Amino acid sequence: QSALTQPASMSGSPGQSITISCTGTSSDVGSYNLVSWFQQHPGKAPKLMIYEGSKRPSGVSNRFSGSKSGNTASLTISGLQAEDEADYYCCSYAGSSRDVFGTGTKVTVL
Amino acid sequence: EVQLLESGGGLVQPGGSLRLSCAASGFTFSTYAMSWVRQAPGKGLEWVSTISDVGSSTYYADSVKGRFTISRDNSKNTLYLQMNSLRAEDTALYYCAKKGSGYEFDYWGQGTLVTVSS
Repeated sequence: QSALTQPASMSGSPGQSITISCTGTSSDVGSYNLVSWFQQHPGKAPKLMIYEGSKRPSGVSNRFSGSKSGNTASLTISGLQAEDEADYYCCSYAGSSRDVFGTGTKVTVL
Repeated sequence: EVQLLESGGGLVQPGGSLRLSCAASGFTFSTYAMSWVRQAPGKGLEWVSTISDVGSSTYYADSVKGRFTISRDNSKNTLYLQMNSLRAEDTALYYCAKKGSGYEFDYWGQGTLVTVSS
């Protein structure tokens, strides 16, 4: 099972919006509406930001939103803030109780 | 409050073994699937293994199949990962993660570091 493909890095100014893509295959992202997104600050554990493609856990800012089209899922961060600077990973169910993560995207707030 | 506390990491020689533990609290442990996810130094996240709520079903990444064994003791609210035939490429921070009702990893521990080196 190959890792899902994400851009290595993205950046934006405070207040701007950025969209991180996560490209998989018809065996994972394309087959299930079970993509989740995680935020990871340096030295910290990952934090769930989006699940089932577009749902936000309680306590996660509505500046974070998720979507999917075909084999590609996306995470949009609106109104970028300094605290959003972190690594972001997507994850998709891949069948037979297996999961596959994305390669990760480092987001820099300029 | 959900808490997951990993332990058991350390330095081990190639070919050696190690058993990781994850003590869970703050939720009904026996009703959720649990997983191990690892992160090599400076690298991304990699799913390692998942076990069903009652422990009857287990699943492994190809990279660890045949070498690692996931298990759980619901009477002790504890998840385990037995790692045998360890290789240098198994060096990573190992996270214990709870599976939510939507199959997502909704809670994570802080991780325990495994270093495989001679």
